[in-house]
Amino acid sequence: KAGVTQTPRYLIKTRGQQVTLSCSPISGHRSVSWYQQTPGQGLQFLFEYFSETQRNKGNFPGRFSGRQFSNSRSEMNVSTLELGDSALYLCASSLVTGPRTDTQYFGPGTRLTVL
Amino acid sequence: AQSVTQPDIHITVSEGASLELRCNYSYGATPYLFWYVQSPGQGLQLLLKYFSGDTLVQGIKGFEAEFKRSQSSFNLRKPSVHWSDAAEYFCAVAFTGGGNKLTFGTGTQLKVEL
Repeated sequence: KAGVTQTPRYLIKTRGQQVTLSCSPISGHRSVSWYQQTPGQGLQFLFEYFSETQRNKGNFPGRFSGRQFSNSRSEMNVSTLELGDSALYLCASSLVTGPRTDTQYFGPGTRLTVL
Repeated sequence: AQSVTQPDIHITVSEGASLELRCNYSYGATPYLFWYVQSPGQGLQLLLKYFSGDTLVQGIKGFEAEFKRSQSSFNLRKPSVHWSDAAEYFCAVAFTGGGNKLTFGTGTQLKVEL
Protein backbone atom coordinates (compact mmCIF):
# COMPACT_ATOMS: atom_id res chain seq x y z
CA LYS A 1 0.00 0.00 0.00
CA ALA A 2 1.49 3.32 -1.04
CA GLY A 3 2.14 5.87 1.67
CA VAL A 4 1.30 9.55 1.78
CA THR A 5 2.76 11.35 -1.21
CA GLN A 6 3.69 15.02 -1.24
CA THR A 7 4.70 17.00 -4.29
CA PRO A 8 6.94 18.71 -4.95
CA ARG A 9 9.54 17.64 -2.43
CA TYR A 10 11.54 20.83 -2.74
CA LEU A 11 10.51 24.28 -3.82
CA ILE A 12 12.21 27.66 -4.04
CA LYS A 13 10.15 30.82 -4.34
CA THR A 14 10.70 34.53 -3.87
CA ARG A 15 8.92 36.89 -1.55
CA GLY A 16 5.52 37.98 -2.75
CA GLN A 17 4.92 34.93 -4.90
CA GLN A 18 2.33 32.30 -4.15
CA VAL A 19 2.79 28.54 -3.91
CA THR A 20 0.61 25.45 -4.04
CA LEU A 21 1.61 22.20 -2.37
CA SER A 22 -0.07 18.87 -3.02
CA CYS A 23 -0.77 15.87 -0.82
CA SER A 24 -2.11 12.50 -1.91
CA PRO A 25 -3.31 10.47 1.09
CA ILE A 26 -3.16 6.75 1.52
CA SER A 27 -5.83 5.06 -0.55
CA GLY A 28 -9.13 5.04 1.33
CA HIS A 29 -8.13 7.75 3.77
CA ARG A 30 -10.54 10.66 3.97
CA SER A 31 -8.84 12.95 6.46
CA VAL A 32 -5.86 15.10 5.53
CA SER A 33 -4.06 17.42 7.92
CA TRP A 34 -1.27 19.89 7.24
CA TYR A 35 1.55 20.98 9.52
CA GLN A 36 4.32 23.53 9.27
CA GLN A 37 7.71 22.66 10.76
CA THR A 38 10.32 25.35 11.39
CA PRO A 39 13.38 25.42 13.67
CA GLY A 40 11.95 28.36 15.61
CA GLN A 41 8.29 27.41 16.00
CA GLY A 42 8.51 23.64 15.74
CA LEU A 43 5.57 21.65 14.42
CA GLN A 44 2.39 23.66 14.11
CA PHE A 45 -1.02 22.53 12.93
CA LEU A 46 -2.35 24.38 9.90
CA PHE A 47 -5.69 22.74 9.10
CA GLU A 48 -7.53 19.47 8.66
CA TYR A 49 -9.86 18.46 5.88
CA PHE A 50 -12.31 15.60 6.00
CA SER A 51 -14.67 14.73 3.18
CA GLU A 52 -13.83 18.00 1.40
CA THR A 53 -14.71 20.12 4.46
CA GLN A 54 -12.31 22.00 6.67
CA ARG A 55 -12.79 20.55 10.15
CA ASN A 56 -10.11 22.33 12.13
CA LYS A 57 -7.86 25.31 11.63
CA GLY A 58 -4.71 26.45 13.39
CA ASN A 59 -3.55 29.98 14.15
CA PHE A 60 -2.18 31.00 10.80
CA PRO A 61 -2.99 34.10 8.76
CA GLY A 62 -5.46 34.00 5.91
CA ARG A 63 -2.60 33.76 3.42
CA PHE A 64 -2.60 30.06 4.23
CA SER A 65 -5.49 28.18 2.71
CA GLY A 66 -6.31 24.69 1.64
CA ARG A 67 -8.83 22.49 -0.02
CA GLN A 68 -9.65 18.85 -0.49
CA PHE A 69 -10.95 17.19 -3.59
CA SER A 70 -13.50 14.41 -3.94
CA ASN A 71 -10.70 11.83 -4.27
CA SER A 72 -9.34 13.07 -0.88
CA ARG A 73 -6.25 14.64 -2.41
CA SER A 74 -5.50 17.94 -0.78
CA GLU A 75 -3.71 21.12 -1.70
CA MET A 76 -2.53 23.98 0.41
CA ASN A 77 -1.81 27.41 -0.91
CA VAL A 78 0.27 30.20 0.53
CA SER A 79 -0.17 33.60 -1.06
CA THR A 80 2.16 36.58 -0.83
CA LEU A 81 5.06 34.54 0.50
CA GLU A 82 7.20 35.91 3.31
CA LEU A 83 10.70 34.85 4.34
CA GLY A 84 9.23 33.34 7.50
CA ASP A 85 7.17 30.91 5.44
CA SER A 86 10.32 28.93 4.71
CA ALA A 87 9.61 25.59 6.32
CA LEU A 88 8.98 21.91 5.91
CA TYR A 89 5.30 21.39 5.22
CA LEU A 90 4.02 18.01 6.32
CA CYS A 91 0.82 16.32 5.33
CA ALA A 92 -0.81 13.51 7.30
CA SER A 93 -3.70 11.26 6.40
CA SER A 94 -6.02 8.94 8.29
CA LEU A 95 -9.17 6.97 7.58
CA VAL A 96 -11.45 9.26 9.51
CA THR A 97 -11.21 12.29 11.75
CA GLY A 98 -10.70 11.99 15.49
CA PRO A 99 -7.50 10.81 17.18
CA ARG A 100 -9.10 7.88 18.91
CA THR A 101 -10.22 6.15 15.78
CA ASP A 102 -7.18 5.84 13.60
CA THR A 103 -3.48 6.49 13.23
CA GLN A 104 -2.29 9.45 11.24
CA TYR A 105 0.39 8.67 8.65
CA PHE A 106 2.76 11.44 7.65
CA GLY A 107 4.27 12.13 4.27
CA PRO A 108 7.94 13.07 3.74
CA GLY A 109 7.10 16.76 3.47
CA THR A 110 7.70 19.59 1.03
CA ARG A 111 10.69 21.77 1.80
CA LEU A 112 9.78 25.36 0.86
CA THR A 113 12.48 28.00 0.71
CA VAL A 114 11.49 31.64 0.29
CA LEU A 115 14.21 33.98 -0.94
CA ALA B 1 -5.17 25.68 25.75
CA GLN B 2 -3.36 22.41 25.72
CA SER B 3 0.43 22.39 25.58
CA VAL B 4 3.26 19.91 25.55
CA THR B 5 6.70 20.35 27.09
CA GLN B 6 9.78 18.34 26.26
CA PRO B 7 12.41 19.65 28.68
CA ASP B 8 15.41 18.05 26.99
CA ILE B 9 16.43 19.54 23.65
CA HIS B 10 19.37 17.19 23.18
CA ILE B 11 20.21 13.85 24.76
CA THR B 12 23.26 11.71 24.15
CA VAL B 13 23.41 8.06 25.19
CA SER B 14 25.78 5.21 24.51
CA GLU B 15 24.62 2.33 22.38
CA GLY B 16 23.17 -0.35 24.61
CA ALA B 17 22.30 2.08 27.39
CA SER B 18 18.75 2.73 28.51
CA LEU B 19 16.82 5.78 27.40
CA GLU B 20 14.11 7.94 28.87
CA LEU B 21 12.70 10.98 27.08
CA ARG B 22 10.51 13.26 29.11
CA CYS B 23 7.17 14.73 28.13
CA ASN B 24 4.76 16.80 30.20
CA TYR B 25 1.40 18.04 29.03
CA SER B 26 -1.07 20.63 30.15
CA TYR B 27 -4.72 19.86 29.54
CA GLY B 28 -7.85 19.87 31.66
CA ALA B 29 -9.03 16.37 30.90
CA THR B 30 -7.26 13.18 29.95
CA PRO B 31 -5.69 13.80 26.58
CA TYR B 32 -4.75 11.45 23.80
CA LEU B 33 -0.96 11.16 23.87
CA PHE B 34 1.48 10.21 21.16
CA TRP B 35 5.17 9.78 20.52
CA TYR B 36 6.52 10.29 17.02
CA VAL B 37 10.03 9.90 15.62
CA GLN B 38 11.53 11.84 12.74
CA SER B 39 14.72 10.84 10.97
CA PRO B 40 16.59 13.42 8.86
CA GLY B 41 14.74 14.22 5.66
CA GLN B 42 11.80 12.07 6.67
CA GLY B 43 8.28 12.60 7.83
CA LEU B 44 7.01 11.55 11.23
CA GLN B 45 6.49 7.94 12.24
CA LEU B 46 4.18 6.99 15.09
CA LEU B 47 5.94 5.02 17.84
CA LEU B 48 3.00 4.60 20.21
CA LYS B 49 -0.15 6.20 21.51
CA TYR B 50 -2.23 6.32 24.68
CA PHE B 51 -5.98 6.75 24.77
CA SER B 52 -7.13 5.10 27.98
CA GLY B 53 -6.75 1.96 30.03
CA ASP B 54 -3.39 0.45 30.85
CA THR B 55 -0.99 3.28 31.59
CA LEU B 56 2.02 1.41 30.20
CA VAL B 57 1.91 1.41 26.42
CA GLN B 58 4.06 -0.69 24.15
CA GLY B 59 5.09 0.61 20.76
CA ILE B 60 7.21 -0.26 17.79
CA LYS B 61 10.99 -0.64 17.74
CA GLY B 62 11.07 -1.72 21.40
CA PHE B 63 9.78 1.58 22.79
CA GLU B 64 7.31 1.95 25.64
CA ALA B 65 5.75 4.89 27.44
CA GLU B 66 4.04 5.34 30.75
CA PHE B 67 1.16 7.71 31.37
CA LYS B 68 1.20 9.25 34.85
CA ARG B 69 -1.85 11.38 35.44
CA SER B 70 -0.60 12.74 38.78
CA GLN B 71 2.52 14.09 37.09
CA SER B 72 0.90 15.00 33.76
CA SER B 73 3.68 13.06 32.11
CA PHE B 74 4.06 10.59 29.29
CA ASN B 75 7.73 9.60 29.23
CA LEU B 76 9.18 7.43 26.49
CA ARG B 77 11.59 4.63 27.40
CA LYS B 78 13.74 2.01 25.74
CA PRO B 79 15.82 -0.51 27.69
CA SER B 80 18.71 -0.71 25.20
CA VAL B 81 19.33 1.92 22.55
CA HIS B 82 20.61 1.04 19.08
CA TRP B 83 22.63 3.37 16.88
CA SER B 84 19.72 3.47 14.44
CA ASP B 85 17.55 5.10 17.12
CA ALA B 86 19.37 8.41 16.60
CA ALA B 87 16.64 10.80 15.47
CA GLU B 88 14.36 13.51 16.76
CA TYR B 89 11.49 12.49 19.00
CA PHE B 90 8.26 14.40 19.41
CA CYS B 91 5.58 14.07 22.03
CA ALA B 92 2.12 15.19 20.94
CA VAL B 93 -1.33 15.60 22.40
CA ALA B 94 -4.83 15.57 20.93
CA PHE B 95 -8.19 15.99 22.58
CA THR B 96 -11.82 15.09 22.11
CA GLY B 97 -13.50 17.45 19.69
CA GLY B 98 -10.25 18.54 18.13
CA GLY B 99 -10.41 16.15 15.23
CA ASN B 100 -6.98 15.04 14.16
CA LYS B 101 -5.25 18.19 15.37
CA LEU B 102 -2.01 17.35 17.15
CA THR B 103 -0.17 19.76 19.42
CA PHE B 104 3.51 18.88 19.44
CA GLY B 105 6.31 19.44 21.88
CA THR B 106 9.51 21.06 20.69
CA GLY B 107 11.24 17.73 20.23
CA THR B 108 14.26 15.96 21.71
CA GLN B 109 17.24 15.25 19.48
CA LEU B 110 18.76 11.89 20.38
CA LYS B 111 22.39 11.17 19.62
CA VAL B 112 23.74 7.65 20.08
CA GLU B 113 27.44 7.17 20.76
CA LEU B 114 28.99 3.94 19.54
